[in-house]
Amino acid sequence: EPEVTQTPSHQVTQMGQEVILRCVPISNHLYFYWYRQILGQKVEFLVSFYNNEISEKSEIFDDQFSVERPDGSNFTLKIRSTKLEDSAMYFCASSEQGAMNTEAFFGQGTRLTVV
Amino acid sequence: GQSLEQPSEVTAVEGAIVQINCTYQTSGFYGLSWYQQHDGGAPTFLSYNGLDGLEETGRFSSFLSRSDSYGYLLLQELQMKDSASYFCAVSLEGDYKLSFGAGTTVTVRA
Repeated sequence: EPEVTQTPSHQVTQMGQEVILRCVPISNHLYFYWYRQILGQKVEFLVSFYNNEISEKSEIFDDQFSVERPDGSNFTLKIRSTKLEDSAMYFCASSEQGAMNTEAFFGQGTRLTVV
Repeated sequence: GQSLEQPSEVTAVEGAIVQINCTYQTSGFYGLSWYQQHDGGAPTFLSYNGLDGLEETGRFSSFLSRSDSYGYLLLQELQMKDSASYFCAVSLEGDYKLSFGAGTTVTVRA
């Protein structure tokens, strides 16, 4: 069964460092997303990406965040200068159509710890 | 913005039926989805309701009433493996993201 894969599964970084979280969405999907989940809290939307550009972003997705689809398969989230409060599980997701009325498939997540 | 409310915890025994309610306040409502998450792992899709009524998928069913801004997820014949967090999520017209509720932790006891 096709799945969304994310690497690394865990990442520990020092405050102020840059991190890149990587995702390979399902191959025939057109919409890609990043969500995050702070431990014990709800899943929060960060950004959606369609047709090689950001289609929507949340208030959380400020200037320190960026996304890229560098080739036909990868979808990355970069955090430029990490802060302690960026520590969370980051989930990549993809869907065939927009998540309005179709299933979004989530990866297993990258647990980011900023120290 | 949107707000979704669902109970924080539910405990039930194996074989029982559990109903998780979700009420929402939002403009431009399009549909309500339900996701299951085990131990902080990947949220997995369970069900979607765009129209009023009941959707049944095996032991799980979901219901939506747009006029009441209310939905629920019904878990029948509970099994130990159903112990997980369950999230309702709304999607809006012209929007492609999901906005999740805080989640309901379901604990199934033997």
